[in-house]
Amino acid sequence: DADVTQTPRNRITKTGKRIMLECSQTKGHDRMYWYRQDPGLGLQLIYYSFDVKDINKGEISDGYSVSRQAQAKFSLSLESAIPNQTALYFCATRAGPWQPQHFGDGTRLSIL
Amino acid sequence: DQQVKQNSPSLSVQEGRISILNCDYTNSMFDYFLWYKKYPAEGPTFLISISSIKDKNEDGRFTVFLNKSAKHLSLHIVPSQPGDSAVYFCAASLGSSNTGKLIFGQGTTLQVKP
Repeated sequence: DADVTQTPRNRITKTGKRIMLECSQTKGHDRMYWYRQDPGLGLQLIYYSFDVKDINKGEISDGYSVSRQAQAKFSLSLESAIPNQTALYFCATRAGPWQPQHFGDGTRLSIL
Repeated sequence: DQQVKQNSPSLSVQEGRISILNCDYTNSMFDYFLWYKKYPAEGPTFLISISSIKDKNEDGRFTVFLNKSAKHLSLHIVPSQPGDSAVYFCAASLGSSNTGKLIFGQGTTLQVKP
């Protein structure tokens, strides 16, 4: 079983719709992250969280919101989707300083 | 302003030979560097890392070299295998920072030909 699970894996939706992407982990890590990848670019940080009460914006948080429902669950929402939010979205966890992040398999989101 | 750059979008090598992937960074405060490998339809997988107190770190066929004065790191894969064909991302961060934010390069697509 995957340590970091993202659902759905693929989603096609229309402009203006509300969308939620979910991430759950079994690694027991406190730190969780949401990234976005556009074609030909590296991953960019959207939001990150250290625990259920600690949510922080990343470099590209506009148009997104998150919820940390439990240590193991971190959801990303697009309140009103727009076409330029079409991208690959990755969730990641990290154990602590000087440790790598571990990624889920991603959600491919297309907004028409 | 891109703080981490991988200037080669693609690289093709013959099976058994050495693959060398390069990465440059601009922020001298970065002190923890990582390489990830990504296959299509999968998430990035951690390969190897290095802290700025070292200039080399090895793990099996993978070696990362860090040149702090040049703000340059490289990943060597020896010998290269067809299963190594993937997109490789370098990433940099402040290792001791609690946030753990990673700054990624654009990626290099490696093709290893049998």
